Amino acid sequence: DAGVTQSPTHLIKTRGQQVTLRCSPKSGHDTVSWYQQALGQGPQFIFQYYEEEERQRGNFPDRFSGHQFPNYSSELNVNALLLGDSALYLCASSFGDNEKLFFGSGTQLSVL
Amino acid sequence: GENVEQHPSTLSVQEGDSAVIKCTYSDSASNYFPWYKQELGKGPQLIIDIRSNVGEKKDQRIAVTLNKTAKHFSLHITETQPEDSAVYFCAAHPTGYSTLTFGKGTMLLVSP
Repeated sequence: DAGVTQSPTHLIKTRGQQVTLRCSPKSGHDTVSWYQQALGQGPQFIFQYYEEEERQRGNFPDRFSGHQFPNYSSELNVNALLLGDSALYLCASSFGDNEKLFFGSGTQLSVL
Repeated sequence: GENVEQHPSTLSVQEGDSAVIKCTYSDSASNYFPWYKQELGKGPQLIIDIRSNVGEKKDQRIAVTLNKTAKHFSLHITETQPEDSAVYFCAAHPTGYSTLTFGKGTMLLVSP
């Protein structure tokens, strides 16, 4: 039973570029949440997708957008990258309204 | 919104000692409190959780206690082992929200 998988594992971009990160949820899960984890900090909630709709959003600018596909996988897009966007981006999956989140290993994004 | 404070930020113990990590939360409507362990290069892994209708929960060497009146909860690890070394995060789930708010983490170092 595969857990949450994320790709790529590492990514290097320059300021102003755009990036797309991908996530496949744990088998049987239908909800995907994205978190940003800066070095030495706890994960910060970006947004959550359920039934292909953004169900809730954290305090992140519109440069951060997402999508959920019919197979429940999800993408996180970040436009006009800033140096401060450098972080570990974590995807977590869950089932329906269940609070238990299962995390992937993350994508380490470096913006130069 | 919910605010979660976590202490200490770092904790060093000798193998075999006990370790305690404490968290406080601000939203009295929070009803679910998980603890995650994050090893270097990996995503957070759920290790134990507790709901607001329970005061204490134990799973082998780890236990969590919750004091709803004081709005704080703690993680207790007994008979620590070097493989317990990691960063531990507490989190809270407010009623009506579909996501978690995390503390800033505690780096636990267990020395042989």
